[in-house]
Amino acid sequence: GAGVSQSPSNKVTEKGKDVELRCDPISGHTALYWYRQSLGQGLEFLIYFQGNSAPDKSGLPSDRFSAERTGGSVSTLTIQRTQQEDSAVYLCASSFYTSYEQYFGPGTRLTVT
Amino acid sequence: QKEVEQNSGPLSVPEGAIASLNCTYSDRGSQSFFWYRQYSGKSPELIMFIYSNGDKEDGRFTAQLNKASQYVSLLIRDSQPSDSATYLCAGGGDNAGNMLTFGGGTRLMVKP
Repeated sequence: GAGVSQSPSNKVTEKGKDVELRCDPISGHTALYWYRQSLGQGLEFLIYFQGNSAPDKSGLPSDRFSAERTGGSVSTLTIQRTQQEDSAVYLCASSFYTSYEQYFGPGTRLTVT
Repeated sequence: QKEVEQNSGPLSVPEGAIASLNCTYSDRGSQSFFWYRQYSGKSPELIMFIYSNGDKEDGRFTAQLNKASQYVSLLIRDSQPSDSATYLCAGGGDNAGNMLTFGGGTRLMVKP
């Protein structure tokens, strides 16, 4: 079946602009995760959603970052007033349930100039 | 705080050799463990999972789990240059339903 999809695949934006990144999880998966990965670094957890529960926002680096998940499916990660240090690959993953294996999307490469 | 530790490497092995990748974890409540492969510029791809103590084999890959020692390993037999990638270990499956905890990854280089 279809895997996790993300859009756009690449995004170049000017410092100070807002950006929205989209994630479409695998159908039937109840948990959805956002990670950030800078060049040569490990996964940095940002936020996750499990069903209708309140999201775990413990990894969001600042209040410029927010995410929502509509209808228990598609999620949007929004970064306001982007900074150069926000440049990274943003990865989305989904799983059937929180403690199960995660499947990753192809990522969105964000470059802030 | 739950931790999964991996040597960042790089681990360099000659083509045809066995590559051994290791991982330790702190949470005794973790029941299941996963190995992901990440090629440069790509996203992580799940390649193996293991729930029970002992060995699990899948083609050239063998995952090993020792819950008493809180140790997980991945063996790659007959290593190929195409196996060169970063390998991420993740632990999860605890009774509290917490999400997976990922290690920082080990970079493997297989030299022809």
